[in-house]
Amino acid sequence: EVQLVESGGGLVEPGGSLRLSCAASGFTFSSHWMHWVRQVPGKGLMWVSRINSDGSTTKYADSVKGRFTISRDNTKNTLYLQMNSLRAEDTAVYYCVRDQGYGAYGFDYWGQGTLVTVSS
Amino acid sequence: DIQMTQSPSSLSASVGDRVTITCRATQGISNYLAWFQQKPGKAPKSLIYAASSLQSGVPSKFSGSGSGTDFTLTISSLQPEDFATYYCQQYTAYPYTFGQGTKLEIK
Repeated sequence: EVQLVESGGGLVEPGGSLRLSCAASGFTFSSHWMHWVRQVPGKGLMWVSRINSDGSTTKYADSVKGRFTISRDNTKNTLYLQMNSLRAEDTAVYYCVRDQGYGAYGFDYWGQGTLVTVSS
Repeated sequence: DIQMTQSPSSLSASVGDRVTITCRATQGISNYLAWFQQKPGKAPKSLIYAASSLQSGVPSKFSGSGSGTDFTLTISSLQPEDFATYYCQQYTAYPYTFGQGTKLEIK
């Protein structure tokens, strides 16, 4: 059974940093691109970032570029999102999402999400 | 960026009804279109990819169609568990973008 379990969310002050983790199991993690998607509570979905299978290429939404870094450790089956210079508008539930086909077939499995709150 | 617009934004329907949700892209995206279902307090669930292909385990009451800029999600024989918010998403170009969502409510 495919499982994606996020952790690392919490309350952080503006300007602070946080690192999210996503532990993957039930599939060959190193064969899949992975994404982060966020959702402000009560609002819509926003794609944040993507990393390819071996971690050599990444993509970011303009609103997080230069502040967030996506990475992965295929030996630990874990995806990360390092978030620096956090702003109030980064407050959201962050989901780890599996790409089912190197970008050709979109997303399939989603984690349960982890809430990040940026506030003083 | 490619903008995705769903209509309607909300929809009231009865158990047993058939409903259709529309998604329009601001430029052609071929068939790189997905649909997701989200219930309150839960993560989104993937329903359809490549505009019309059902994800494994998704019942055939859900169907998708379209190509280019105009797409539809049809849900037949609505059941209480189908009342949720539905999102479309394009994944042909970065940044991937979602529609604003369509809230399907019980009449």
